[in-house]
Amino acid sequence: NAGVMQNPRHLVRRRGQEARLRCSPMKGHSHVYWYRQLPEEGLKFMVYLQKENIIDESGMPKERFSAEFPKEGPSILRIQQVVRGDSAAYFCASSPPGTGNSPLHFGNGTRLTVT
Amino acid sequence: EDQVTQSPEALRLQEGESSSLNCSYTVSGLRGLFWYRQDPGKGPEFLFTLYSAGEEKEKERLKATLTKKESFLHITAPKPEDSATYLCAVSVSSGTYKYIFGTGTRLKVLA
Repeated sequence: NAGVMQNPRHLVRRRGQEARLRCSPMKGHSHVYWYRQLPEEGLKFMVYLQKENIIDESGMPKERFSAEFPKEGPSILRIQQVVRGDSAAYFCASSPPGTGNSPLHFGNGTRLTVT
Repeated sequence: EDQVTQSPEALRLQEGESSSLNCSYTVSGLRGLFWYRQDPGKGPEFLFTLYSAGEEKEKERLKATLTKKESFLHITAPKPEDSATYLCAVSVSSGTYKYIFGTGTRLKVLA
């Protein structure tokens, strides 16, 4: 009964390096959402994807950030040329196909630290 | 603009001291309202879904209610293990389905 799986749990990168965060949704779920959380703050929407399609990327910075959800394999959130301000917890959530009535189910996040 | 506001930001209770957390929302096209619990270092854990005004859901010491403008999470006789951050989220239909989160209420229950 695997839930949403994210890896790595912790990731340390130096400024200018690339960070790749992975998310495998729950079985039967084809919708993936990525959120970012800073300490003492709420979850900020970044991007919503279905298999092979980006549905809404309105919360994602235009530069350095990209996301994909290929036909096979996990969803990937990629941050190029990381800066200290990218340090945060990144959460992935999944939901079944539907009409927005279903709750999102979350992984335990990837904590990115940029040194 | 769609918005979700939670209050209070933080709450300290003695064990057994009942209270309520508030989630007020201003959205168009509400599809559902969701409550989550988040423990430090973990992802949010789903608790309840509410769809229409007047609806109530209950689980152990927690009870969630919904009106047209707000939702309450009532905690009856809390225990220290109920200490966590409680998040409220709404899903709205605006072109695509968005899930908007409040900033949460940090609850601490003292033994």
